Amino acid sequence: GENVEQHPSTLSVQEGDSAVIKCTYSDSASNYFPWYKQELGKRPQLIIDIRSNVGEKKDQRIAVTLNKTAKHFSLHITETQPEDSAVYFCGEGGSGTYKYIFGTGTRLKVLA
Amino acid sequence: NAGVTQTPKFQVLKTGQSMTLQCAQDMNHEYMSWYRQDPGMGLRLIHYSVGAGITDQGEVPNGYNVSRSTTEDFPLRLLSAAPSQTSVYFCASRRDRVSGNTIYFGEGSWLTVV
Repeated sequence: GENVEQHPSTLSVQEGDSAVIKCTYSDSASNYFPWYKQELGKRPQLIIDIRSNVGEKKDQRIAVTLNKTAKHFSLHITETQPEDSAVYFCGEGGSGTYKYIFGTGTRLKVLA
Repeated sequence: NAGVTQTPKFQVLKTGQSMTLQCAQDMNHEYMSWYRQDPGMGLRLIHYSVGAGITDQGEVPNGYNVSRSTTEDFPLRLLSAAPSQTSVYFCASRRDRVSGNTIYFGEGSWLTVV
């Protein structure tokens, strides 16, 4: 079945540095890849997403890259700030299924 | 719009009790789903629905029932609560079954089974 592996599970960076989180998926029919941010005690909220016909998408300090051949996609956060500290989830959705499957999450800590 | 609304926010159950987590959305979304979130396990899909009268199982359906009698509501029933069902539950919806539509989450329901 569908599977998404997410690494690392925890990540600590100094304020101002970059953070990269990577996800690998197994279903070659997957065509949609969202990233969600979840602050402590809150609901997950979409921060950026990418579709399979695009290799990269950027929104200010956040970018996502997709490598369909290798079946992996990554979240890049530049110039990290303390408010970026949260848990980040990657997801994948396929054209052949109705389900979104999520990775196990990465806890990002930005150290001031 | 209120978005996706879940109740209750917190609940403590005794083993063997039953209960229903309520979920409602006011965005006229066709697709609704329930996830559970456990430490280190991420968000796991329990059940989903692609429209009124249609439901299907996700990754971890055992011990849970759902129904979708209206577009707006998608309740999750725990038939006989077990400590393994202690978790945070999120209801989510999106416009339709088409892949690529944003999924919106409710605020979550914290359930403890003792």
